[in-house]
Amino acid sequence: DGGITQSPKYLFRKEGQNVTLSCEQNLNHDAMYWYRQDPGQGLRLIYYSQIVNDFQKGDIAEGYSVSREKKESFPLTVTSAQKNPTAFYLCASSIDGTGTKNIQYFGAGTRLSVL
Amino acid sequence: AQKVTQAQTEISVVEKEDVTLDCVYETRDTTYYLFWYKQPPSGELVFLIRRNSFDEQNEISGRYSWNFQKSTSSFNFTITASQVVDSAVYFCALRAPYEGNNRLAFGKGNQVVVIP
Repeated sequence: DGGITQSPKYLFRKEGQNVTLSCEQNLNHDAMYWYRQDPGQGLRLIYYSQIVNDFQKGDIAEGYSVSREKKESFPLTVTSAQKNPTAFYLCASSIDGTGTKNIQYFGAGTRLSVL
Repeated sequence: AQKVTQAQTEISVVEKEDVTLDCVYETRDTTYYLFWYKQPPSGELVFLIRRNSFDEQNEISGRYSWNFQKSTSSFNFTITASQVVDSAVYFCALRAPYEGNNRLAFGKGNQVVVIP
């Protein structure tokens, strides 16, 4: 089955710790995205990547880092610099980042909490 | 800057009633794309529809229908004869290729609760 897999489903972070959220897709999509969702809020873009080995900051990149070494993988690291990391994190992908076919498809999300 | 407003936060309806979700958008682009997504309690966002700015035809898909009006910058979504499975958060989103650099701008969502 083609799709986007996020893991883990639930993650706990201790103070001062970096944690990494996994996002894998087998849709052969070029573009991938990370969003943060807080209760009662819409989605806010953290980082996005339109092609392998390239990524750009979104609206709330501070305290986060990403890499895009493989087309199918776009891991997100929540660093200790992110002081309020508790949120629901969603990964998405699209065929490309600029074309008219740009429909973003989403994974099931990772819920991050601080211990 | 591109912006999406979904005014109603939570809407409760009794099963079989119709429910309409309002979405108002702002952009200076003349070509843009509008989307609706459904987020059930499981959390995953499910794509429902994409509408191009140059196509103002309304669309019906089963119990779902969409009314796109450029004159009022609105892209409203109606669920007819609601069912308990329709209980979810629904997001409207806008992609403006130039003004928004092709990024999706989401509204804050409408929580729909269908009461059996």
